[in-house]
Amino acid sequence: GAGVSQSPSNKVTEKGKDVELRCDPISGHTALYWYRQSLGQGLEFLIYFQGNSAPDKSGLPSDRFSAERTGGSVSTLTIQRTQQEDSAVYLCASSRDRDIQYFGAGTRLSVL
Amino acid sequence: EDQVTQSPEALRLQEGESSSLNCSYTVSGLRGLFWYRQDPGKGPEFLFTLYSAGEEKEKERLKATLTKKESFLHITAPKPEDSATYLCAVLHTGTASKLTFGTGTRLQVTL
Repeated sequence: GAGVSQSPSNKVTEKGKDVELRCDPISGHTALYWYRQSLGQGLEFLIYFQGNSAPDKSGLPSDRFSAERTGGSVSTLTIQRTQQEDSAVYLCASSRDRDIQYFGAGTRLSVL
Repeated sequence: EDQVTQSPEALRLQEGESSSLNCSYTVSGLRGLFWYRQDPGKGPEFLFTLYSAGEEKEKERLKATLTKKESFLHITAPKPEDSATYLCAVLHTGTASKLTFGTGTRLQVTL
């Protein structure tokens, strides 16, 4: 019964570098979501995976952002050529189908 | 486009002083309205889901209600440990599964 696990918990990078953020969902949850939480703003949807269906990428802010989910479980969010405006907390959630979404603790990304 | 507005932005209560948080929403078809609690440095923690107008749910000192335009989170006799940011979110009836969140109400309960 572990919850959603995210790593790293904190990431500091230099502008222009690539970063990878990892999410390990709750076992048995078929749906996985990525959100971004910027200071003073609400959570912003990024991408959604459901089983073997094509992901819903409608929230990705630019083509520097991509995500994959391997084996229907672990997901990696990749940000290429990071910019200072990418600094935020990146949250992952999982659910059974379109049910209640349970969130991880997030990765705090700081781009210097 | 779905919209969620929460008020007030911040609320300071004394222990035992009951109050309500508001979540107003605009969505073409509501599948569900969700309340989460978020503590500093942590992810949102699920509290309630409401699916139809008139529905109410309770958990300890918290009670959530839903109308066709808004939801209230009532906090009865709050304690300092209730201090947190409370987030409201809506899920559309369409095929999209994203939650649309409000910016939250930051609650502080003092002794």
